[in-house]
Amino acid sequence: DAGITQSPRHKVTETGTPVTLRCHQTENHRYMYWYRQDPGHGLRLIHYSYGVKDTDKGEVSDGYSVSRSKTEDFLLTLESATSSQTSVYFCAIRPGGGREGSYEQYFGPGTRLTVT
Amino acid sequence: LAKTTQPISMDSYEGQEVNITCSHNNIATNDYITWYQQFPSQGPRFIIQGYKTKVTNEVASLFIPADRKSSTLSLPRVSLSDTAVYYCLVGDIINAGNNRKLIWGLGTSLAVNP
Repeated sequence: DAGITQSPRHKVTETGTPVTLRCHQTENHRYMYWYRQDPGHGLRLIHYSYGVKDTDKGEVSDGYSVSRSKTEDFLLTLESATSSQTSVYFCAIRPGGGREGSYEQYFGPGTRLTVT
Repeated sequence: LAKTTQPISMDSYEGQEVNITCSHNNIATNDYITWYQQFPSQGPRFIIQGYKTKVTNEVASLFIPADRKSSTLSLPRVSLSDTAVYYCLVGDIINAGNNRKLIWGLGTSLAVNP
């Protein structure tokens, strides 16, 4: 599991409300990622971080923001949740010292988010 | 832009060898090809990655031809516990700044029967 936890594991929220998901890791990995997984689309990268306060957008970043103020925590915020953001969200880390071009990642257990 | 193609599903029986192929054109020249396994209600689990030719670890082998336009994940002597979805992952260079886009396959659902 590479010491990765996600909270909450399940959440139901209403359209228009802000939601924050937390990813916590215990092994000081530099790279952290947020994905969403939906039937028919597979895994899609939302945002990633390559260090404290260093983040960048993935392919489906609209409507999401992230923050990383400490190495161990990577927060994903849905600024105003919509039904299209109903999904399973996974956090992942990439081991330190990974080779350039390596996509070896270790995933958390996921958060199932339902927006009604 | 790189694209990956995998079979949607496969069936096998316990003890057989299973080969799952992912086609991927235009992938980043220096990037590895990576495979993951996912069980229901869990996050994907890293299985193996390789750059070219053959890589083997304790759970699988990965075969990559010289042109790197495909890769084949080989699972020897599968058991019921290998029933899962298997994903390939490659990278694509998206701009002159060498930024990459991660390209996940849509997954192959493997069913291992007794």
